[in-house]
Amino acid sequence: DTGVSQDPRHKITKRGQNVTFRCDPISEHNRLYWYRQTLGQGPEFLTYFQNEAQLEKSRLLSDRFSAERPKGSFSTLEIQRTEQGDSAMYLCASNPWREGSDTQYFGPGTRLTVL
Amino acid sequence: GENVEQHPSTLSVQEGDSAVIKCTYSDSASNYFPWYKQELGKGPQLIIDIRSNVGEKKDQRIAVTLNKTAKHFSLHITETQPEDSAVYFCAAMNTGFQKLVFGTGTRLLVSP
Repeated sequence: DTGVSQDPRHKITKRGQNVTFRCDPISEHNRLYWYRQTLGQGPEFLTYFQNEAQLEKSRLLSDRFSAERPKGSFSTLEIQRTEQGDSAMYLCASNPWREGSDTQYFGPGTRLTVL
Repeated sequence: GENVEQHPSTLSVQEGDSAVIKCTYSDSASNYFPWYKQELGKGPQLIIDIRSNVGEKKDQRIAVTLNKTAKHFSLHITETQPEDSAVYFCAAMNTGFQKLVFGTGTRLLVSP
């Protein structure tokens, strides 16, 4: 059973550059989530998709952030004009959307460093 | 919105001892409470979860208890082993909104 995969695992960029991360959920998982985790803190919710529809967005997701899931399978998270405060681990999770199944299965994360 | 507090922030035990981590939540509408283990450089991994209609759940050396009235829940690990060393996070969610709210984590160190 393949887990959630994320690419790249690490990204170093200069302030002001754009970056894009990819998440591939577990096969047939309809729900997909993005979280951000800074050092020493728990993950913070950013957004989630049910199939291709983006159903919830956190206020943390400023207008420089955009997430897509065009075909209801993989998702991308883009950050435009990166700032040093964007340095964090970006985590993706998925869920099969079945009655009684609320477990969110996390991927390994993409660690972003903005210089 | 929901707020989850977690204690202690660090916990050191000897191998074979028990470890207890406690969390409180603020939103009485939360009805799902998972616990995750996170090792260095990896994503969180679910170790056990509990729903609001259950007071206790056990899986081998791990158990979780929930007190809905007091709005707290706890993780109990018995017979700890060095491989249990990691950061543990509690979380709470109202399943109608699908947004996990995490605590700040507990760094557990199990010494041989």
